[in-house]
Amino acid sequence: DIVMTQSPLSLPVTPGEPASISCRSSQSLLHSNGYYFLNWYLQKPGQSPQLLIFLGSSRASGVPDRFSGSGSGTDFTLQISRVEADDVGVYYCMQALQSPFTFGPGTRVDIK
Amino acid sequence: QVQLVQSGLEVKKPGASVKVSCTASGYNIDSYGLSWVRQAPGQRLEWMGWISGYNGDAHYAQKFQDRVSMTTDISTSTAYMELSHLRSDDTAVYYCARYDTLEGMFDRWGQGTLVTVSS
Repeated sequence: DIVMTQSPLSLPVTPGEPASISCRSSQSLLHSNGYYFLNWYLQKPGQSPQLLIFLGSSRASGVPDRFSGSGSGTDFTLQISRVEADDVGVYYCMQALQSPFTFGPGTRVDIK
Repeated sequence: QVQLVQSGLEVKKPGASVKVSCTASGYNIDSYGLSWVRQAPGQRLEWMGWISGYNGDAHYAQKFQDRVSMTTDISTSTAYMELSHLRSDDTAVYYCARYDTLEGMFDRWGQGTLVTVSS
């Protein structure tokens, strides 16, 4: 199975400041179609997960442009350019390249 | 708009089975896959498998292979996930999610169904 790790696991943030979450996979997530099958999800308190980023760097419909994804191979990053209070929750990376699809442990983001 | 609505809370005894439903609206169920993901208390999300809305082929994570069955009813746009031989560590919130197989993403999620396994 592909093992997903994230850092940090907890991230206190200040509104208006940038934030960054790292995700690492145990093997490359490069698909034969040339895209990285790496997604980012946000699970807000008491809610279902919601898709933020797919194919490593494509923003999902309706996601604010302050969210961006980057990376290649086994190392990926989610960046929030200016954190807002509504961004609190747990952020998960997930690989969809190989069964079983696997999630990272999650990064809990809260306001300082 | 796209919606996935799941069935309600389930309380089961160890050894029993549970069947959770997920009714889709706002899109053609046969154009996407449908995946099931669970989240035990305080744990990370765990993928269980997915079923093709096009031909009903199901693909299960090895961990659940012997205990899970995923089906769809195209006529009612409803997917089902049945988990048998329940144990206490199956206590979790179970989510269905629309699976775009071309782009490898779960782009819409149901509201979740809490399954509690307790004697």
